[in-house]
Amino acid sequence: DADVTQTPRNRITKTGKRIMLECSQTKGHDRMYWYRQDPGLGLQLIYYSFDVKDINKGEISDGYSVSRQAQAKFSLSLESAIPNQTALYFCATSATGVLQPQHFGDGTRLSIL
Amino acid sequence: EDQVTQSPEALRLQEGESSSLNCSYTVSGLRGLFWYRQDPGKGPEFLFTLYSAGEEKEKERLKATLTKKESFLHITAPKPEDSATYLCAVYSQGGSEKLVFGKGTKLTVNP
Repeated sequence: DADVTQTPRNRITKTGKRIMLECSQTKGHDRMYWYRQDPGLGLQLIYYSFDVKDINKGEISDGYSVSRQAQAKFSLSLESAIPNQTALYFCATSATGVLQPQHFGDGTRLSIL
Repeated sequence: EDQVTQSPEALRLQEGESSSLNCSYTVSGLRGLFWYRQDPGKGPEFLFTLYSAGEEKEKERLKATLTKKESFLHITAPKPEDSATYLCAVYSQGGSEKLVFGKGTKLTVNP
């Protein structure tokens, strides 16, 4: 089983719909992250959380919200989806400490029509 | 603003043909540089962390090196299974606790 699991793996929806992407991990890490990846661009950080009570905005948080339900669960919501949010979304985790590597899930491919 | 530039964007090699990928960075104090491999339909997979100029790390046919301005990922005698996109990312002293990623180099190794 994967250490970082994202659901769904693929989603097609319409403009204006509310979407939730879920991430769960069995690595026991405190830190969790949400990224989006667009063709020809690097991974961009949307939100990150260093523990259950800590939520921080990344570089592209507008139009997104997150919830850290437990140490192992971190969900990303699009309250009212728009077509330019079509992208590949990745969840990642890392251990607490200096310069710990991030470990990624296999992504959710989201298409907004 | 921290920046990471990877070159080339794409590289095609014949099996056994060694080469290098480049990652140049502009940051306000490098704390660490990471290399990842990403296969189609998968998330990035961690390969190496480099902390200071002169450091080298090796794994199978891959060797990563670091200078004060750039990092190289050397691939020796590559095989088709080395085909993937290779991503470079940095942590800087001036930034928040976040990685800044390059756009990646797509490597194709033909048999």
